[in-house]
Amino acid sequence: NAGVTQTPKFQVLKTGQSMTLQCAQDMNHEYMSWYRQDPGMGLRLIHYSVGAGITDQGEVPNGYNVSRSTTEDFPLRLLSAAPSQTSVYFCASTPARHITYTEAFFGQGTRLTVV
Amino acid sequence: KNQVEQSPQSLIILEGKNCTLQCNYTVSPFSNLRWYKQDTGRGPVSLTIMTFSENTKSNGRYTATLDADTKQSSLHITASQLSDSASYICVVSAGAGTALIFGKGTTLSVSS
Repeated sequence: NAGVTQTPKFQVLKTGQSMTLQCAQDMNHEYMSWYRQDPGMGLRLIHYSVGAGITDQGEVPNGYNVSRSTTEDFPLRLLSAAPSQTSVYFCASTPARHITYTEAFFGQGTRLTVV
Repeated sequence: KNQVEQSPQSLIILEGKNCTLQCNYTVSPFSNLRWYKQDTGRGPVSLTIMTFSENTKSNGRYTATLDADTKQSSLHITASQLSDSASYICVVSAGAGTALIFGKGTTLSVSS
């Protein structure tokens, strides 16, 4: 099993550009989520999904969209990149419907810079 | 407000020495507490997860303790190795649902 795979690992965008961060897991996990990690701060939840076809907002959802058409994939879309979105993004998955009850597995992260 | 506070912010120790990292939380309702290790440039990896009824859990040289009454946890690392150099993150689950409350982490540097 590859676990949670994120692509790309690094990305530089210009302000106003759009892009999609990819996240795929091969563990048949129900719950998937996206976090951002900024210097001096804990990870913050952007969006999450408790199953295919179901998504919801986390703590910092503005400027991001998600969809969950399959169990395996959970892409994060930046609609119009802003310098404030410069961050490291992590995707996570967990086997249970609710992340609070079971272990979370994280991807390797995508380091995004918006200039 | 749900919060997880970790101390110290950073720590430097010599290889072979022991160390203890602290985590205080104000999270309600409490579900479980986790410790993650995050190597530079990598995603967090789970070390331990403890529920309300568990006081101690070990994973090799890592031992986590939980005092649910005082809402404190610690992570003790025994006989540190250079590979222990990383950020250690305390994470508390809040009740049923989707909330994981992350601490800012303690950066540990082990030198030879």
